[in-house]
Amino acid sequence: QVQLQESGPGLVKPSQTLSLTCTVSGGSISSGSYYWSWIRQPAGKGLEWIGRIYTSGSTNYNPSLKSRVTISVDTSKNQFSLKLSSVTAADTAVYYCARFSPTGDYYFDYWGQGTLVTVSS
Amino acid sequence: VIWMTQSPSLLSASTGDRVTISCRMSQGISSYLAWYQQKPGKAPELLIYAASTLQSGVPSRFSGSGSGTDFTLTISCLQSEDFATYYCQQYYSFPITFGQGTRLEIK
Repeated sequence: QVQLQESGPGLVKPSQTLSLTCTVSGGSISSGSYYWSWIRQPAGKGLEWIGRIYTSGSTNYNPSLKSRVTISVDTSKNQFSLKLSSVTAADTAVYYCARFSPTGDYYFDYWGQGTLVTVSS
Repeated sequence: VIWMTQSPSLLSASTGDRVTISCRMSQGISSYLAWYQQKPGKAPELLIYAASTLQSGVPSRFSGSGSGTDFTLTISCLQSEDFATYYCQQYYSFPITFGQGTRLEIK
């Protein structure tokens, strides 16, 4: 059973860089044809896809955030990470990591529990 | 970008009721649609993919239909554990997008 767990600071100052890590357990992050994603959800609002990474390191980002986002993978640690630069209060949200289905269709079959990141001075 | 209009945003119903939630696309997406259920403080959980295929372990009272631009999630006989927020998600093209959500509350 695959499990994902987000970790990182819960409070980030405006203009700084938000950094989160997702640790995958119950299987190797690099086995199979898996893409891994980050999604966020402001309090009381809907879901926004941030971007995805393949275990080879290839990435795709949401154009709305592309200029500020970097997603990377560390297969030796079974982790992938998110960096979001120049944050503002609008980036305050619960951040989820998730896995795309291995069927090759891009829906999410496993999610982390989510971690709240607040942007405030 | 494919925009999604999910309706209603709020749905009040009683245990045992049959309810439907709609998701309309700004352009055709074939059957590349998923539905998720989210309970407060929890991550979304996959219910249906490919518009109508039930994810393993999901009760059969959940069903999905539609293709192209119009899709529906139906819950045939509401149980207490079904009161939650539901989201549709298109995966026809990037960026992946979600509907605004439908909160299903107890009448």
